[in-house]
Amino acid sequence: AQKITQTQPGMFVQEKEAVTLDCTYDTSDPSYGLFWYKQPSSGEMIFLIYQGSYDQQNATEGRYSLNFQKARKSANLVISASQLGDSAMYFCAMREAWNTNAGKSTFGDGTTLTVKP
Amino acid sequence: DGGITQSPKYLFRKEGQNVTLSCEQNLNHDAMYWYRQDPGQGLRLIYYSQIVNDFQKGDIAEGYSVSREKKESFPLTVTSAQKNPTAFYLCASSIREGNTEAFFGQGTRLTVV
Repeated sequence: AQKITQTQPGMFVQEKEAVTLDCTYDTSDPSYGLFWYKQPSSGEMIFLIYQGSYDQQNATEGRYSLNFQKARKSANLVISASQLGDSAMYFCAMREAWNTNAGKSTFGDGTTLTVKP
Repeated sequence: DGGITQSPKYLFRKEGQNVTLSCEQNLNHDAMYWYRQDPGQGLRLIYYSQIVNDFQKGDIAEGYSVSREKKESFPLTVTSAQKNPTAFYLCASSIREGNTEAFFGQGTRLTVV
């Protein structure tokens, strides 16, 4: 079964508007972390934001925020005030603490975001 | 500056040849990982190592081999048994325990000619 699901292969957003990238996950581990990475066309992976399974508040980092709904097992990334430089592929990932996958990060298939001027 | 260095950035291999991709980190991380990425797709785990002299297969280990003789280094060999090796390879490291992010190298683009 897919552990991380990103249902939007491609998304478009107008410059300066907000956009939400969807991510759902599946785990039985009570302790896990959820991450979002940005991959520009150069190929490097840039860490954006982290949400722990026990965190009570949604994570925020500058223009990035994570809409964490634990009961629904979703961890959507919200980018506010989109910029042209935000055009990239975005990956949701999960790292589990206790099960046989402990320590490994599992990645979704990614969402390609295009910001229009 | 601390980070992960992958080399080379571009690599060309003839069919039937083995080739080794380098990955070095100076972040003092115990855990290191190799991922494969095909065009327009996500990352798939090839091998990972949680500690020196120990490593485990990931989801797509067939046709690949690794070693972890030093904490700083985790080279990946793409053998001739890998039927479709053309891909983008990313190395990453992290602390072994806890929910922290992985740090990635710049990647190696391997092409079989």
